[in-house]
Amino acid sequence: SQQGEEDPQALSIQEGENATMNCSYKTSINNLQWYRQNSGRGLVHLILIRSNEREKHSGRLRVTLDTSKKSSSLLITASRAADTASYFCAGNAGNMLTFGGGTRLMVKP
Amino acid sequence: DAGITQSPRHKVTETGTPVTLRCHQTENHRYMYWYRQDPGHGLRLIHYSYGVKDTDKGEVSDGYSVSRSKTEDFLLTLESATSSQTSVYFCAISDNGYEQYFGPGTRLTVT
Repeated sequence: SQQGEEDPQALSIQEGENATMNCSYKTSINNLQWYRQNSGRGLVHLILIRSNEREKHSGRLRVTLDTSKKSSSLLITASRAADTASYFCAGNAGNMLTFGGGTRLMVKP
Repeated sequence: DAGITQSPRHKVTETGTPVTLRCHQTENHRYMYWYRQDPGHGLRLIHYSYGVKDTDKGEVSDGYSVSRSKTEDFLLTLESATSSQTSVYFCAISDNGYEQYFGPGTRLTVT
C-alpha cells in the first residue's frame, strides 16, 4: 500500500511557470518528505517537513503540510527545464518511509 | 550518490536461480534500506537494517532475504528468482532514520 498519493500524476508546464504537486497520505506520520528522481537515476532528497510544521521553504521550493487533512503540497517556483523529473512524497513513521506513486513533471524550454 | 554503490548495476537471470545484490556505503550510516520500483507502484520497501545484524521486514518482503554483517554492506538475496521480481532495486542509507540517500539502482530482469 502507498502512504502517499500524488496529484496530478503528470504535469507539463512552460519554463518560468510555477509547478504545484499535491500529496495525500493515510496514517499518522512524524514527518513528510519530498524526493526527486531524474530518469534512470536514484532518488534525491529535496525537503523534509515535520508534523508540527505547516510550511517550509528551501530555495525555489515551498512545502506545506496540513495534518488535519493528511495532505501536503510542493510548489516549485520559476521552473527550469532542469526541473523535469518525477517527484515523490514519502511519509515517515518510525524509521521507514512509505512512498506515493509520484508526479511526472515536464518543463518545456 | 552520497557514497553509495550498488552491484551489479544490471543483471539478467533465469527463473529459479539465486541472485544477490550488494549495497555498499562509505558514509558509516546506521540505517540501510532495500526498495523495489515498479511502474504504477512507486517505491516499495523490501527490508531494512537498523544496525549490524539487525534487520526487519518491509511491505514486500516475501521471496527476499537480507544480511548485514558489516556497517558498510547490505545484501539482498532472491533465493529463487521469479519473473515477478523483475524490477529496479534501490538501496538507500540514513544516519537518523529520516532523510534517505539513494544509490544508483540495479536493473534486474528474470527470464
